[in-house]
Amino acid sequence: DGGITQSPKYLFRKEGQNVTLSCEQNLNHDAMYWYRQDPGQGLRLIYYSQIVNDFQKGDIAEGYSVSREKKESFPLTVTSAQKNPTAFYLCASSYTSGGDNEQFFGPGTRLTVL
Amino acid sequence: AQKITQTQPGMFVQEKEAVTLDCTYDTSDQSYGLFWYKQPSSGEMIFLIYQGSYDEQNATEGRYSLNFQKARKSANLVISASQLGDSAMYFCAMREGGNQFYFGTGTSLTVIP
Repeated sequence: DGGITQSPKYLFRKEGQNVTLSCEQNLNHDAMYWYRQDPGQGLRLIYYSQIVNDFQKGDIAEGYSVSREKKESFPLTVTSAQKNPTAFYLCASSYTSGGDNEQFFGPGTRLTVL
Repeated sequence: AQKITQTQPGMFVQEKEAVTLDCTYDTSDQSYGLFWYKQPSSGEMIFLIYQGSYDEQNATEGRYSLNFQKARKSANLVISASQLGDSAMYFCAMREGGNQFYFGTGTSLTVIP
């Protein structure tokens, strides 16, 4: 079955530690996205990538980094520079051509900083 | 300016009744797409319905329909015959000419038995 997987589902981190969230898709989508969602809030774009080895900052990129070495994978690293990283993180992907192509989402990772 | 505006933080509807969730958007592009997603308490985002800017007809998918008023830049979601399982957060989103999606702040829908 095609889809997007994110791991882990729950993640706990100590302050000052970097942590990497995994996102893999087998939908053959060119574009991939990372969003952050805080309780009771909408989705805010962290980074997105339209093609391998290229990515763009979203609205809240500070304290985060990404890589896109493979079409299927778009890992997100939450660095110690991110002052308030506790949130729900959603990865998504879509085709790049055609405005009617919706985003498909992974199940999300809940990150808690202790 | 906000690209997507959802003005109803919370809505209640009686089971089996219809409900309308509001969404207005802001774009100067001629070609764009509008989407609605459902987010249950589990956190997953479920795609519900799509409306293209050039579509003449309002989109429908089962109990979901999109009331598209282009001149008013509104794309309201109508859920007919509400069910208890419809209780969730609902997000309106827009995709412009590029590949970036813009999301609203969401509406929390509660279906009352």
